[in-house]
Amino acid sequence: GDSVTQMEGPVTLSEEAFLTINCTYTATGYPSLFWYVQYPGEGLQLLLKATKADDKGSNKGFEATYRKETTSFHLEKGSVQVSDSAVYFCALSPPFPGNTGKLIFGQGTTLQVKP
Amino acid sequence: DSGVTQTPKHLITATGQRVTLRCSPRSGDLSVYWYQQSLDQGLQFLIQYYNGEERAKGNILERFSAQQFPDLHSELNLSSLELGDSALYFCASSVFTSGKETQYFGPGTRLLVL
Repeated sequence: GDSVTQMEGPVTLSEEAFLTINCTYTATGYPSLFWYVQYPGEGLQLLLKATKADDKGSNKGFEATYRKETTSFHLEKGSVQVSDSAVYFCALSPPFPGNTGKLIFGQGTTLQVKP
Repeated sequence: DSGVTQTPKHLITATGQRVTLRCSPRSGDLSVYWYQQSLDQGLQFLIQYYNGEERAKGNILERFSAQQFPDLHSELNLSSLELGDSALYFCASSVFTSGKETQYFGPGTRLLVL
């Protein structure tokens, strides 16, 4: 079945460091891909998305490119801040037809940014 | 703020009890999804409703049920609660853009079963 695999955390970086969180997926067809972020004590917030191959999603300095050939959707940011400390979830929504749009999540990667 | 609201924010109850979690989707969204977030299982899809009708079921226990009302708010009912039901329960509503669906999540209800 469809699945998402994220790199294990926690990832600990110093402020202004470059961030990469790896995400690979298994799915038939062309799923939509998402990154959600969960700040401490809060709910899930949509960070960015991409709905077709080679699309680049971006938001708040974060970017991720939908790579069909490597079935990946790695999250990157050029310069992290302490306020980026959170848990990041990669997720996919299987393509229509025959699906409900339910999200399949990776296990989450905790990012800790130190000043 | 995603526009999805959930109540209550926190719930503490005892084993064997029954609770109801409530979700109001964003204005105009017809679909509501329920997810469970636990330490051992991660984030898992439970059930989806679309315009009052059940559309899909995921890993939802028989002790759990849900419904969506004519005003589109949804309730998740959890009964005969066990310690292992302690988790964060999210609902999400969705919007379609160019045929692609995006889900927006509420703040969650944290359930603690003692």
